[in-house]
Amino acid sequence: AQTVTQSQPEMSVQEAETVTLSCTYDTSESDYYLFWYKQPPSRQMILVIRQEAYKQQNATENRFSVNFQKAAKSFSLKISDSQLGDAARYFCAYRLRGGAQKLVFGQGTRLTINP
Amino acid sequence: NAGVTQTPKFRILKIGQSMTLQCTQDMNHNYMYWYRQDPGMGLKLIYYSVGAGITDKGEVPNGYNVSRSTTEDFPLRLELAAPSQTSVYFCASSSTSGVYNEQFFGPGTRLTVL
Repeated sequence: AQTVTQSQPEMSVQEAETVTLSCTYDTSESDYYLFWYKQPPSRQMILVIRQEAYKQQNATENRFSVNFQKAAKSFSLKISDSQLGDAARYFCAYRLRGGAQKLVFGQGTRLTINP
Repeated sequence: NAGVTQTPKFRILKIGQSMTLQCTQDMNHNYMYWYRQDPGMGLKLIYYSVGAGITDKGEVPNGYNVSRSTTEDFPLRLELAAPSQTSVYFCASSSTSGVYNEQFFGPGTRLTVL
């Protein structure tokens, strides 16, 4: 079974600084997708960024970028120029291509932004 | 376009009571899901459906039931509530026609069983 591990329960960063959240996953498959979701105190799940396993180029969405290392099964999220609104719990998630598209989530990392 | 809606937002149940969590999506998505999120943890899949009339168990199905009579609705039924079912419940849906087919989530239902 696939598993997703986020080894940092909590992280903090100064406003305007850069922070990297770690995620590793375990799978024997080669064709899959990876996602980062943000969960602010409102508890709404918001998609931040996504990556297809067959794409070597790392995904970027404005201040958010990923470092996808397929061989190492690592998928870290970098937030540049951190803003107070980035404070949230961040979840890494994995799913296979096709099938029922079921997501497997990590335990999450709570990110605090210090003004 | 409301996306995924869930009712109620909050509920307190007594041990042994039953209830149904409602979920509706207006995006014409074939796939729908129910997750639970325990405090400080990630989301775990309870049940999912790939279309009307088709449902299947996820990782933590015990104590729950689902039905899918229409594309839009995917209710989750709790029978004989137990304190272990205290959690936040999320419904989600996804398309099958795109590339990433990311899941869209409802706002969640916070359930407490006392």
